[in-house]
Amino acid sequence: GAVVSQHPSRVICKSGTSVKIECRSLDFQATTMFWYRQFPKKSLMLMATSNEGSKATYEQGVEKDKFLINHASLTLSTLTVTSAHPEDSSFYICSGLAGADTQYFGPGTRLTVL
Amino acid sequence: LAKTTQPISMDSYEGQEVNITCSHNNIATNDYITWYQQFPSQGPRFIIQGYKTKVTNEVASLFIPADRKSSTLSLPRVSLSDTAVYYCLVGDEVNFNKFYFGSGTKLNVKP
Repeated sequence: GAVVSQHPSRVICKSGTSVKIECRSLDFQATTMFWYRQFPKKSLMLMATSNEGSKATYEQGVEKDKFLINHASLTLSTLTVTSAHPEDSSFYICSGLAGADTQYFGPGTRLTVL
Repeated sequence: LAKTTQPISMDSYEGQEVNITCSHNNIATNDYITWYQQFPSQGPRFIIQGYKTKVTNEVASLFIPADRKSSTLSLPRVSLSDTAVYYCLVGDEVNFNKFYFGSGTKLNVKP
């Protein structure tokens, strides 16, 4: 299967700082990438859809000014959590869409905000 | 918004065949059905994908009836390392190329 990487895998930051998470498709081009958030023992929640060269579309309840998404190339999307607070602590997972229906997921990024 | 329904959990023993069924009553004509496996603190891993009838690969089989309103993931001879959460995923019929996860099925494999 296709490979998606995420960096960093784990980050701890102080409240009020911003954190950038990178998502890369290593062996395929992803016009569309998705960002999910997952809380302990819960399912993945779709946050936003990132399309290369255009603005991301956000799910209801997700603040676009807080979760900045940039998809500047066919292999890279970034999620920046601005002014992070403890309630933003979560497991963030990205995926790249290969074809119309197949997503390949990154390994996830564990964000802890102190 | 999730389009799929699965049992919350299942128990099995090593060496048994496990079948996990997913309901997707409103699946759109163009939707494929994809199954993923997720271990704690890892991203979901692609297992298998199908459109209709039966698909088999080196790790699983996927059975899809003619009406496509459900699908069954079959794992042959499970081992302890197959303990994980399994998700079936279909596209959103209204918002193209969007995918909403259901609850998934926590499979517990016992020795």
